[in-house]
Amino acid sequence: EVQLVESGGGWVQPGGSLRLSCAASGFTFSDYSMNWVRQAPGKGLEWVSYISFSSNTIQYADSVKGRFTISRDTAKNALSLQMNNLREEDTAVYYCARVVNRWLLAAAGMDYWGQGILVTVSS
Amino acid sequence: QSALTQPASLSGSPGQSITISCSGSSSDVGSYNYVSWYQQYPGKAPKLIIYDVTNRPSGVSGRFSGSKSGNTASLTISGLQVEDEADYYCTSYSRGDTLVLFGGGTKLTVL
Repeated sequence: EVQLVESGGGWVQPGGSLRLSCAASGFTFSDYSMNWVRQAPGKGLEWVSYISFSSNTIQYADSVKGRFTISRDTAKNALSLQMNNLREEDTAVYYCARVVNRWLLAAAGMDYWGQGILVTVSS
Repeated sequence: QSALTQPASLSGSPGQSITISCSGSSSDVGSYNYVSWYQQYPGKAPKLIIYDVTNRPSGVSGRFSGSKSGNTASLTISGLQVEDEADYYCTSYSRGDTLVLFGGGTKLTVL
């Protein structure tokens, strides 16, 4: 059974940092590209970042570029999102999601999602 | 870069068919067959119901179907059921600055 489990969320003051993790199981992690997607309270979904199966291609939404860093550890079957210089508008539930196939153009298709983890940025 | 455009809300009666539109541009929906649709219940993670415009993942009801014409993609739900009441989001690959664009979401009410 495919499982994605996020951890590392919580409350942080503006300007602070958090590191989200996503533990993957039930599939060959190294075969799949991954996304982070977030959802602010009461709002719609927003794509945050993409990392290819090989880590060769990484992309970010403009809203997080220069502040967030996505990475993956194939040995640990883990996806991470390092979030620095956090702003109040980064407050959201963050989801990790598996991309349907390994190709960049297919990044919008995400067939498995974690349960989500809440990040609250507030003073 | 603008998000994809969806109607904010739609409603239908059980047994009816409804279509949710998703309007993009020639930089995304219009040029690539990489449109996906998601269903989301309150407090739950999204669920993939259509990918690559028309493909249904295993286990998704055949009452859900996708299509595309020009810069607009559509999700059709036939034989509406009460349990279809949820939020629906479209997404597309984009060759612009943002790799993946989301629509603003459509709240479907089944009366």
